[in-house]
Amino acid sequence: QKEVEQDPGPLSVPEGAIVSLNCTYSNSAFQYFMWYRQYSRKGPELLMYTYSSGNKEDGRFTAQVDKSSKYISLFIRDSQPSDSATYLCAMSPGGSNYKLTFGKGTLLTVNP
Amino acid sequence: GAGVSQSPSNKVTEKGKDVELRCDPISGHTALYWYRQSLGQGLEFLIYFQGNSAPDKSGLPSDRFSAERTGGSVSTLTIQRTQQEDSAVYLCASSFGEPPETQYFGPGTRLLVL
Repeated sequence: QKEVEQDPGPLSVPEGAIVSLNCTYSNSAFQYFMWYRQYSRKGPELLMYTYSSGNKEDGRFTAQVDKSSKYISLFIRDSQPSDSATYLCAMSPGGSNYKLTFGKGTLLTVNP
Repeated sequence: GAGVSQSPSNKVTEKGKDVELRCDPISGHTALYWYRQSLGQGLEFLIYFQGNSAPDKSGLPSDRFSAERTGGSVSTLTIQRTQQEDSAVYLCASSFGEPPETQYFGPGTRLLVL
C-alpha cells in the first residue's frame, strides 16, 4: 500500500459545479496536509495548508482533514474553467521530518 | 519578485550521456529541494539543502545522481550515464526558513533520455 493514495481521475465537471477531491493515507505520523494545483507544463503552486485535523476555508476552496479516518478532502465551490488543472495532495510529519509525500494527482477539467 | 527559475526547460539526451540541470531559487530563500515527477506518478523527493548544513540526499535513486548548491543559492542536479528510466520532469522548490514553510516550485526541466 502506498503511503498516500489519490484517485487520478480524470474528473470532468460543468462550470459552477462543486468539486470534491480527496486523498487517503496510511502514515499516522502525518501532521501537515497540503493541496497543490499544477497547471499543464508548470510547477505546482500551494493552494491550501492545514495542520492536524479540521477545516480551513479560503474563498471558493475548503480543505478538510479527518485524521481518525486518515482522509483529506479539497472542495471547490462554483468551479470555473480556470480551475482546470491537476490537484496534488501532499503531507508531512513536520518537526525535523520535512519531506513531503505527494499523491499522484487528480486531473480536473471544468467545462464552460 | 522573481520566482524559482530552472534551466533548461527541456532536455533531450542519449542514453549514457551526463546531464546538468540548474535551479535558481527565490532570493533570500535558505531551503532548496529537488523532486522528480514521472508520468503518472506523484512528486518524488530527491534532495534537500538548508543553509550551510549537510544536504539530505536520502531520496537520490542511485549514485548516478548528485547535486550541489553553490554559495547557498544556485543548485545543479547532475545525472551521470543517463538511463531511459531517468526520463521525467525534474522540479526544484525553495522556501524561506525551516520546514514546513511553504515551498515555491519552479516550472521544471523536462528530461527525455533516448
